[in-house]
Amino acid sequence: DAKTTQPNSMESNEEEPVHLPCNHSTISGTDYIHWYRQLPSQGPEYVIHGLTSNVNNRMASLAIAEDRKSSTLILHRATLRDAAVYYCILSHRKDIIQGAQKLVFGQGTRLTINP
Amino acid sequence: DVKVTQSSRYLVKRTGEKVFLECVQDMDHENMFWYRQDPGLGLRLIYFSYDVKMKEKGDIPEGYSVSREKKERFSLILESASTNQTSMYLCASSLFYGAGTSYEQYFGPGTRLTVT
Repeated sequence: DAKTTQPNSMESNEEEPVHLPCNHSTISGTDYIHWYRQLPSQGPEYVIHGLTSNVNNRMASLAIAEDRKSSTLILHRATLRDAAVYYCILSHRKDIIQGAQKLVFGQGTRLTINP
Repeated sequence: DVKVTQSSRYLVKRTGEKVFLECVQDMDHENMFWYRQDPGLGLRLIYFSYDVKMKEKGDIPEGYSVSREKKERFSLILESASTNQTSMYLCASSLFYGAGTSYEQYFGPGTRLTVT
């Protein structure tokens, strides 16, 4: 199974952009890249996902390297509420069983935002 | 907004007790999931269900069973609770893949279960 590697922790300042890296050098051509985050004392929440092209939504942007061996989640202007553990997850078609997508969460990156 | 609710935020049970954890979602999702989260081990999938009365084992099903009698409700059952089942339990739901939407899983707030 393709795995992801993320830094254990990162720190940034409020109102500055944050770039969260994820390496996935063994990614296959049909693996999707997902990002979830988990705020303190809450369940994870979906952030964004992509396949090959860069993606934007109201929460963040996902920049995918041309060779797809790495990706970066970009928070354009961090707030204190963005302090969370961020998970980068790969999913493959084989992980879809009867229409249900299995996700494997790693350890993630703990993001601290300084006021 | 999608809402996934879990019956309790905190639960304390004794070894050997039968424990029921309930999860309800209000968005008519086909799929529902149970995970446990432990420090250093991340989230691990216990069981999931893709339809009423249908279930599939996840990565760590031993010691657990599940029940899905209605589409909106998915129960996790610990037949005889043990101390190594002390953990945070998270429920999630999602649409059927191929429905033309994203793969998003929506999570509940979690139940912290302590088995003494």
